[in-house]
Amino acid sequence: GQQLNQSPQSMFIQEGEDVSMNCTSSSIFNTWLWYKQEPGEGPVLLIALYKAGELTSNGRLTAQFGITRKDSFLNISASIPSDVGIYFCAGQENFNKFYFGSGTKLNVKP
Amino acid sequence: GAGVSQSPSNKVTEKGKDVELRCDPISGHTALYWYRQSLGQGLEFLIYFQGNSAPDKSGLPSDRFSAERTGGSVSTLTIQRTQQEDSAVYLCASSPRRTEAFFGQGTRLTVV
Repeated sequence: GQQLNQSPQSMFIQEGEDVSMNCTSSSIFNTWLWYKQEPGEGPVLLIALYKAGELTSNGRLTAQFGITRKDSFLNISASIPSDVGIYFCAGQENFNKFYFGSGTKLNVKP
Repeated sequence: GAGVSQSPSNKVTEKGKDVELRCDPISGHTALYWYRQSLGQGLEFLIYFQGNSAPDKSGLPSDRFSAERTGGSVSTLTIQRTQQEDSAVYLCASSPRRTEAFFGQGTRLTVV
């Protein structure tokens, strides 16, 4: 089946630092999504990307759809304690199911 | 408007019993997805509905699992003869255009 590799698995950073995480797939996607999940909650959609090379921002979050269509990146600038959570990437091939990465657990020290 | 609603939020059941999990999608969303998330793990695809049809049910782990959707709206995921390995959070998502997915809060199933 489809493989989505997400890294890093976890991060421990200081408040105010910038964060980068990425996902790579074994095949081409036409959609990349980024989610944040907090304990006891469902994943919340942060950013959706639909075109190769697309760069989209949502506040301090910026995500990019890789030009190969096999990868995507999420950056968080000037992290704050409420950024804590697990971030998931998700990719979609042909308007069918979404494949999810294994998540990046973000810890922010005040 | 209201988001995706799942019920119950928590369910504890005895091994061997059947359970039904319900999902109310966002009004007007034609696509509906079920995923399963084990503790500390990523999301495992179970089944996808477009309207009342299920074009992809490839993720259902065994014939003990089934799902249906009626009226292009509410969906029910049924697990028969539950086993301990079925314990997980079951997440439902809906989409207006099949190009993004909005999740509910999940149903935490514990089989004892």
